[in-house]
Amino acid sequence: KNEVEQSPQNLTAQEGEFITINCSYSVGISALHWLQQHPGGGIVSLFMLSSGKKKHGRLIATINIQEKHSSLHITASHPRDSAVYICAVSDNYGQNFVFGPGTRLSVLP
Amino acid sequence: EADIYQTPRYLVIGTGKKITLECSQTMGHDKMYWYQQDPGMELHLIHYSYGVNSTEKGDLSSESTVSRIRTEHFPLTLESARPSHTSQYLCASSETNRARDNYGYTFGSGTRLTVV
Repeated sequence: KNEVEQSPQNLTAQEGEFITINCSYSVGISALHWLQQHPGGGIVSLFMLSSGKKKHGRLIATINIQEKHSSLHITASHPRDSAVYICAVSDNYGQNFVFGPGTRLSVLP
Repeated sequence: EADIYQTPRYLVIGTGKKITLECSQTMGHDKMYWYQQDPGMELHLIHYSYGVNSTEKGDLSSESTVSRIRTEHFPLTLESARPSHTSQYLCASSETNRARDNYGYTFGSGTRLTVV
């Protein structure tokens, strides 16, 4: 069993739809990260969470420490949101990352 | 606007050549990392550094080596490239004990290496 799992593995949505990507983990963590990787390969760090909820533009990330579960939501999705979204967990705010397998999102116009 | 720079962006090289992938960051971060990612696969940590003159191997065994002589510079070297080294290499940096509001890590744009 992988330490970090994501669902769905692949997701296709129509522009404007509300999107949810889920992440569950089985190890003790200090922080959970959501990363975005575009087709060119570059990675952008979207969120780092240790509790509760954070919002950045159309993106919302939540974490439930007791249930070891996090969700990434995208409101009013747009084709430029098409990317691979990676969940990763770490201890000590950035050490010893464990990455999930990623969710490949395609938003169609 | 990138604060961490990787060069080259793409590299095609013959078997047996020595190569160095460059990574530099201008943020004064003490921690730096190298990740390897095969197409469509997960990222794997191959090297990390917690400061000058500190380097450690990561979870994934790699034939590459790294050095950290200056805070801002963390080059990765392959002494003799082989086709099995074909992959994408991503550099990242982070700060110690600082939780920025939304971002904990900064990634470079990656180097896509092909060994023929």
